[in-house]
Amino acid sequence: SSELTQDPAVSVALGQTVRITCQGDSLRSYYASWYQQKPGQAPVLVIYGKNNRPSGIPDRFSGSSSGNTASLTITGAQAEDEADYYCNSRDSSGTGVVFGGGTKLTVL
Amino acid sequence: EVQLVESGGGLVQPGGSLRLSCAASGFTFSSYEMNWVRQAPGKGLEWVSYISSSGSTIYYADSVKGRFTISRDNAKNSLYLQMNSLRAEDTAVYYCARDPTGGGWFDPWGQGTLVTVSS
Repeated sequence: SSELTQDPAVSVALGQTVRITCQGDSLRSYYASWYQQKPGQAPVLVIYGKNNRPSGIPDRFSGSSSGNTASLTITGAQAEDEADYYCNSRDSSGTGVVFGGGTKLTVL
Repeated sequence: EVQLVESGGGLVQPGGSLRLSCAASGFTFSSYEMNWVRQAPGKGLEWVSYISSSGSTIYYADSVKGRFTISRDNAKNSLYLQMNSLRAEDTAVYYCARDPTGGGWFDPWGQGTLVTVSS
């Protein structure tokens, strides 16, 4: 198996840009995907693959990757973006899936 | 509308068993790989198990291997998770999630069903 590491908490001022990162060896071989989870709700996919957004996800969400680090960027953060964000990818064996520990985003 | 609805959660004693179900609608269930993911109270997400579209390929997290069994019935558009020898650390909300392309990303997720293992 492998691990994905995320900062536990990040804050951003309303309307500013924030980057949430995810590190792990599996990211050298597999793309990360990103999920938004609000309290009491199921996770929602916001970014997958190289930098793809599912239908309905605002274009202020974008993804990027370099080496063993994947990033989720929110350009012009809104109050409704306050949530927990999780990354995931296939594990190094390719047979399982691993999640990061999650990042709590606070919009100030 | 693509929808996943879990059921079967509840309170069970340590060492007991429980079977979770996930009913799929709004898409051709038999064409998609499926997963179970869980989330302990106040904790992060943990992948539990994977099953291919035909059911021929199955993977488990080490934490549940030998105790949990994933299965599916494509005729009934349903996914299952048989959980045996349950432990307190299995207490979590269990989500079923579709893997749209086999790429390891999940969309959509069900609303989850809570499993509590306690005496």
